[in-house]
Amino acid sequence: SQQGEEDPQALSIQEGENATMNCSYKTSINNLQWYRQNSGRGLVHLILIRSNEREKHSGRLRVTLDTSKKSSSLLITASRAADTASYFCATDAYGNQFYFGTGTSLTVIP
Amino acid sequence: NAGVMQNPRHLVRRRGQEARLRCSPMKGHSHVYWYRQLPEEGLKFMVYLQKENIIDESGMPKERFSAEFPKEGPSILRIQQVVRGDSAAYFCASSPPIGSYEQYFGPGTRLTVT
Repeated sequence: SQQGEEDPQALSIQEGENATMNCSYKTSINNLQWYRQNSGRGLVHLILIRSNEREKHSGRLRVTLDTSKKSSSLLITASRAADTASYFCATDAYGNQFYFGTGTSLTVIP
Repeated sequence: NAGVMQNPRHLVRRRGQEARLRCSPMKGHSHVYWYRQLPEEGLKFMVYLQKENIIDESGMPKERFSAEFPKEGPSILRIQQVVRGDSAAYFCASSPPIGSYEQYFGPGTRLTVT
């Protein structure tokens, strides 16, 4: 299937540390996006990276994309307790339909 | 500019009843998507609609589920004769007509079937 898969499934770090999570997918894509979901809430769009881009930054977020390996990584630097959430990658290959992975659950310990 | 609105936020139905979930996209958005999230799982695409058109319903179960996005009013996801396995969070997202791949998500409707 087209679905992205995040790794690790769960991650627990101390506040101030960096958090890295990875996403792998199976087929060629147009774009890859990362979303955050706080417990019981809707998704919040974090960042979009196009297939011809290799790296993108937004505040404390850094996303890389390696289309040869069909993988992406999301790095959150200087983590905060408020970063505690689930993080999903979403890929698209057919226009506006996105396929989401199962997510990485991040816990930042104050 | 209000975000994507979904209602109700929580819905409890007994087996065999009908569930209607509503989604009002962001102002100016004409594309609506429905996703289902089972406990401990990621989101699964269900259906993609534009005004008065179903563009892609490849993720929609063949029976009991239907979706519409009328010319006026919210998008509706309808589940007939609900079963326990339909218990999930249903998220709606919207995007502008052209040129943006970003989807804006609503808060979701949590459906519980008892």
